[in-house]
Amino acid sequence: AQSVTQLGSHVSVSEGALVLLRCNYSSSVPPYLFWYVQYPNQGLQLLLKYTSAATLVKGINGFEAEFKKSETSFHLTKPSAHMSDAAEYFCAVSNSGGYQKVTFGIGTKLQVIP
Amino acid sequence: GAVVSQHPSWVICKSGTSVKIECRSLDFQATTMFWYRQFPKQSLMLMATSNEGSKATYEQGVEKDKFLINHASLTLSTLTVTSAHPEDSSFYICSASGSGGSYNEQFFGPGTRLTVL
Repeated sequence: AQSVTQLGSHVSVSEGALVLLRCNYSSSVPPYLFWYVQYPNQGLQLLLKYTSAATLVKGINGFEAEFKKSETSFHLTKPSAHMSDAAEYFCAVSNSGGYQKVTFGIGTKLQVIP
Repeated sequence: GAVVSQHPSWVICKSGTSVKIECRSLDFQATTMFWYRQFPKQSLMLMATSNEGSKATYEQGVEKDKFLINHASLTLSTLTVTSAHPEDSSFYICSASGSGGSYNEQFFGPGTRLTVL
């Protein structure tokens, strides 16, 4: 069984401030972890993924996430928020490379305040 | 690369009619396709997984006779909502994955907004 918990359904940050979106996972096997972004009325875009290689994963648009096994966490960060970062972010877990069943968190809506 | 399209992007239909949604992988062969449903302000819920040439595997609680899935080719899967009712109104998203290499992950389509009147 696998699951993810995203802490905070809404996060607001000022433009230029640090973005931190939290995700904790549960998996009975070594997990594959993902962060996706969704803009209104659009599908999902992969930001980054962890597949048991480097624990610090860099993604697109300046985002990165760190896999911490001891904390079962995979938090998403970006040093400086941009207005275009406003969107819904989903953390997800899979017991494979993602080509099999992926379980999504409830999502975190990021608001960027000018 | 790895582009997945959906058609239509939005559809409005009357209660009792059937609606077909197409999901295509444009530049790779998708051995597996997934169909998700997303309610407003909620996460994606997996409805079913289909492998090319095989019957779809439905998640618990999803009515297979209501949500017909066909994956007849390596580039096309369809979801047909039969006898649609207002409670079927939702955002439906498909994803596709290939058999290996750089396509060994799920690539998502842009979604289809279904409104049943």
